[in-house]
Amino acid sequence: AQSVTQLDSQVPVFEEAPVELRCNYSSSVSVYLFWYVQYPNQGLQLLLKYLSGSTLVKGINGFEAEFNKSQTSFHLRKPSVHISDTAEYFCAVRGGGADGLTFGKGTHLIIQP
Amino acid sequence: EPEVTQTPSHQVTQMGQEVILRCVPISNHLYFYWYRQILGQKVEFLVSFYNNEISEKSEIFDDQFSVERPDGSNFTLKIRSTKLEDSAMYFCASSTSVQETQYFGPGTRLLVL
Repeated sequence: AQSVTQLDSQVPVFEEAPVELRCNYSSSVSVYLFWYVQYPNQGLQLLLKYLSGSTLVKGINGFEAEFNKSQTSFHLRKPSVHISDTAEYFCAVRGGGADGLTFGKGTHLIIQP
Repeated sequence: EPEVTQTPSHQVTQMGQEVILRCVPISNHLYFYWYRQILGQKVEFLVSFYNNEISEKSEIFDDQFSVERPDGSNFTLKIRSTKLEDSAMYFCASSTSVQETQYFGPGTRLLVL
């Protein structure tokens, strides 16, 4: 079974500052890792995913994440945030032969002007 | 850009009543999923569906739940006799294959009174 931990429920950041949203996972099998974003009153939108290959993956809206197998982490970063990045961010994992995604509790990114 | 749609956006029902939540997946997708998110908690996998049968289900998906693809476009989740604890946001998702990205709909907020 897999599990995902997002330690920060809220992260306040000033506009144009860098941000890192933390995600750690546990799994006994190889995993695929995902970050989804949920804007207010909308569904979950894929930001980026790691399936294999390069451990640094780039996604939409200037986000990137690095897969670190030894630390079982997949932290999300953006060098300069914008007010429009205010949203809930979910880390998710899919392991082995499972169909379903296992999600973390989410991190609410709050951009302060 | 094609998207997953869900109806209704909100549903209020009395405990013990049956509800049917509807989803229209992206047209060339073959895998369909239901997830739920109880307020303040994680997004949880309920069930996946492929080739007109359940592919995988979680322990949450008990006999009160059923899924169906009644025609070529709709994918439904039925809760036979709703309980207070079924109050949640229900998300539908679809993908071209189990390895590919799951695209989520905007959700149906279900409130059981």
